[in-house]
Amino acid sequence: GENVEQHPSTLSVQEGDSAVIKCTYSDSASNYFPWYKQELGKRPQLIIDIRSNVGEKKDQRIAVTLNKTAKHFSLHITETQPEDSAVYFCAASRAQFYFGTGTSLTVIP
Amino acid sequence: NAGVTQTPKFQVLKTGQSMTLQCAQDMNHNSMYWYRQDPGMGLRLIYYSASEGTTDKGEVPNGYNVSRLNKREFSLRLESAAPSQTSVYFCASSEVRDTEAFFGQGTRLTVV
Repeated sequence: GENVEQHPSTLSVQEGDSAVIKCTYSDSASNYFPWYKQELGKRPQLIIDIRSNVGEKKDQRIAVTLNKTAKHFSLHITETQPEDSAVYFCAASRAQFYFGTGTSLTVIP
Repeated sequence: NAGVTQTPKFQVLKTGQSMTLQCAQDMNHNSMYWYRQDPGMGLRLIYYSASEGTTDKGEVPNGYNVSRLNKREFSLRLESAAPSQTSVYFCASSEVRDTEAFFGQGTRLTVV
């Protein structure tokens, strides 16, 4: 099966700085890579996703990049705000989703 | 439009008891999933159903059974609960495979 590794497990940044979270996957057949944000006590919610035929995707302050050859993808958050504080999960999918172990992001005002 | 609804939200079981977690979605999605979430381990897939009438094992299926009752409903059953099954359980659905998954609000299960 698929194996998704996510780093770092915790990340603290100053408000306004950028945050980068990285994931690697093992199954070259995975073709869909979503990122979820989970606030404390809440359900995970999709923030951005990318498919294997695309190298980069951007949505306002959030961007995702995918390197299929190296089998890694990254989440970039610019101009971080306190409300970005949450746990972020990457996932790789080929019929079923395999999630990374999560990154707890803290944005310090 | 409620999305994905799970019941119950909280449950305490004694070791050896059985229970069924219910999940229903009103988005006409084909695929449904059950995950468990444990600290430091992310979301691990227990079972999934790619379409009505089909179910498949995920990463951690031992100790669980599922039923895809119809297109809307996908239930998870613990036949004989163990303390190792203490976790937060999430149901999710997606329109088809490899599309956005929508999650329910979760069930916090404690087995004592």
